[in-house]
Parts: sequence; structure tokens; C-alpha cells
Amino acid sequence: GENVEQHPSTLSVQEGDSAVIKCTYSDSASNYFPWYKQELGKRPQLIIDIRSNVGEKKDQRIAVTLNKTAKHFSLHITETQPEDSAVYFCAAFGNEKLTFGTGTRLTIIP
Amino acid sequence: SQTIHQWPATLVQPVGSPLSLECTVEGTSNPNLYWYRQAAGRGLQLLFYSVGIGQISSEVPQNLSASRPQDRQFILSSKKLLLSDSGFYLCAWSGGTGGLRQYFGPGTRLTVT
Repeated sequence: GENVEQHPSTLSVQEGDSAVIKCTYSDSASNYFPWYKQELGKRPQLIIDIRSNVGEKKDQRIAVTLNKTAKHFSLHITETQPEDSAVYFCAAFGNEKLTFGTGTRLTIIP
Repeated sequence: SQTIHQWPATLVQPVGSPLSLECTVEGTSNPNLYWYRQAAGRGLQLLFYSVGIGQISSEVPQNLSASRPQDRQFILSSKKLLLSDSGFYLCAWSGGTGGLRQYFGPGTRLTVT
């Protein structure tokens, strides 16, 4: 089955700087890659996603890049703000289901 | 617009007791439905998913079961809870105009004592 690895597990960034979270997947048939943000005690919220026929997608301060050949994708957050502090999960979709990474705890230092 | 509900929001149950968690989706038809469990400070573990009424796929062999008695209703059950069943249970749906996008319900926080 699919295996998704996510790095780093924790990340501290000065407010205003950029943050990058990276994920790799194992199944070349996976074709959809979402990112979720989860605040403490809350449900995961979909923040951005990308399909396998697209290399990059941007939505205001967040962007996702996908390298199908290398089977890795990344989340980029620019001009970080305190409200960006949360746990972020990547995922890969294949065989009718999502496989999630283990999460990255992002802390924005004021 | 689509809405997903889960109840109860929190639950404290003794070891060996039964469990029933319910999830319903509004505003869409024939959604794909999913049950996930999240242990404290951990990632999301897929437990069951369903692509239609009566169609359930199990990802992890354990003392839990799932049923889909109606198109937009998904139920997670157990006959006898274990301490290791404690966690945050999340229902999710996908389909319709959202395509592959999965949207999570508010979750049920279960503590087994």
C-alpha cells in the first residue's frame, strides 16, 4: 500500500519568515495530494491541494509543489503569521483512500 | 452547501462497554464516507471507508465495526471497548462537486476508563 513520509516533525519559524514542509510518497499511481491544517482540539481543515497533472499551485500565502518523478511534494507558507501555528498533515490519494503523513507541528515565533 | 455532523462530541466509557458513534452528511448525495482515529498527539489512522450503502471496507482489524444504513449516515460501533480505543474519532466525506476533496466532521473525543 501507499506510504507517506513527512518532514520535519517540528518546525519553528520567526514571524514573517517562510516555512517549508516536505512529503514523499511511494505509490506512483497516487494522483491527488491535499494538505490539512489542524489546530489544537479541532478537526483537520483542508488548506490546499494539487492533482498529479499540475506541478505547482498557489493560494495567497500558501503554495504546494509536486515532483511526480521524484514522488515528493511540499507545502510553502510565506510571510508567516502567529495564526499559522498548528499541525500540518500531507496526504496522498490512491486506491479510493487517503494516506496521511505523520504531521508537522509548526510554531511561529513572534 | 454541505455539512457533516458527528455525535456525541465527547464520551467517557468504561472498558468492556459498547460504543456507537454517528456521522451524517447533509447537502450531497452518494458521498464517500470515512472513519479515522487520531490518538493524542498522533496522526490520522483510517479505520473504515464506504463508497455506497452497505459497502464497507476495513483498513485495520480490531474490535470496531462500521455500518452505512442510509446514503448519508455512517456509524462506528464496538461491542466491547478497550483502553486502546481512546482517541479522537473523525468522520469525513468526499464526492459531489468536491471530487476527491475530503472534509472532516467536528469529531468525537472518546476516553475509555
